[in-house]
Amino acid sequence: DTEVTQTPKHLVMGMTNKKSLKCEQHMGHRAMYWYKQKAKKPPELMFVYSYEKLSINESVPSRFSPECPNSSLLNLHLHALQPEDSALYLCASSQDHGYDTGELFFGEGSRLTVL
Amino acid sequence: RKEVEQDPGPFNVPEGATVAFNCTYSNSASQSFFWYRQDCRKEPKLLMSVYSSGNEDGRFTAQLNRASQYISLLIRDSKLSDSATYLCVVNPGGFKTIFGAGTRLFVKA
Repeated sequence: DTEVTQTPKHLVMGMTNKKSLKCEQHMGHRAMYWYKQKAKKPPELMFVYSYEKLSINESVPSRFSPECPNSSLLNLHLHALQPEDSALYLCASSQDHGYDTGELFFGEGSRLTVL
Repeated sequence: RKEVEQDPGPFNVPEGATVAFNCTYSNSASQSFFWYRQDCRKEPKLLMSVYSSGNEDGRFTAQLNRASQYISLLIRDSKLSDSATYLCVVNPGGFKTIFGAGTRLFVKA
């Protein structure tokens, strides 16, 4: 079983809805990530938090809003999404070695469909 | 040129075959290298890290050639359960881990 837990596993939302994806890890990792993955494509980095501070935002549209309430939790708030935002959203965590990330531990993902 | 390039395949091989995947990366300053495996509609999982000296884990062998900026993965005695997408992953330093597009493997009985 994965040690990174994501909820919900599936989400269907309309373009005017507001919803949130949640991620939790209890491995003591200090770096947490959101990736977006479309079918038959590799994961694309969206955001990185290091020690609860936003470290990287890969020019993600503002309709995606990340939040890191504490070192174990990571949220992704969704508002006014477009159908093309439908994808698998993967949360990951890693140790922060200071020079690179080492292994990424992924959650099972939240499969999002925007109608 | 893409930062990490892989042959997308698919590779269709019979059980028991040996199959090799290649990957090239563009940033010579890259620090760490990995192979991840991703099953259909599942999350990526680490298969193995790749070290300059090469490393082996059972039927899997990974090699790194820094001079040629090239990584390989060899799978011996393929099993049906090896069918998956294999992602070459490079970390040039910091948090920006870069994924290759993945190579799809189908192992058939």
